[in-house]
Amino acid sequence: GAVVSQHPSWVICKSGTSVKIECRSLDFQATTMFWYRQFPKQSLMLMATSNEGSKATYEQGVEKDKFLINHASLTLSTLTVTSAHPEDSSFYICSASPRTGVYEQYFGPGTRLTVT
Amino acid sequence: AQSVTQLDSQVPVFEEAPVELRCNYSSSVSVYLFWYVQYPNQGLQLLLKYLSGSTLVKGINGFEAEFNKSQTSFHLRKPSVHISDTAEYFCAVSYHTSGTYKYIFGTGTRLKVLA
Repeated sequence: GAVVSQHPSWVICKSGTSVKIECRSLDFQATTMFWYRQFPKQSLMLMATSNEGSKATYEQGVEKDKFLINHASLTLSTLTVTSAHPEDSSFYICSASPRTGVYEQYFGPGTRLTVT
Repeated sequence: AQSVTQLDSQVPVFEEAPVELRCNYSSSVSVYLFWYVQYPNQGLQLLLKYLSGSTLVKGINGFEAEFNKSQTSFHLRKPSVHISDTAEYFCAVSYHTSGTYKYIFGTGTRLKVLA
């Protein structure tokens, strides 16, 4: 149980284009979803927290107009990287929690984004 | 402010030997503690967690960790490692603040099991 999927697993896009990453909780309803960014050989950096039906809360330093997050249903959240640049290339990982108390997070397999 | 420190960035160990991966945290509020494993190009998998109760926590794949409140530590141990345990291990804390929960990860420890 508690499976989270991400799609796509990897994507290459050209500079200036936008790319959407989906995060789905497959066997539970996710009250809260999180988006992380991970640079090579580094830890996870929380980008934003989203609760179903409300606006995402972004961490300090994360551009909300560049990283658009939508949590439209209890099983789906999307991250759209707008006007992507090479510096946006990274490994993006989502996680989902079945309740608002965050002592259980289930992670997706990650999406490798490369911007050329 | 809360923080998580993983003292070792890399730990090489021979197969079937015991291993301990160290994690210390700093927090002014109560925290929940977690260990995750990450294999190359994959997401994180929960190894074990401490929420309350017994300070010795057993997880998957033969791992265990002990919560030590006085030393603010949550070290991960395995009595006998396998080649397949080679991966990145992250310690994390979760705490409640401003009406929501936050999650902080340590910088990770790369465990390399040698044949």
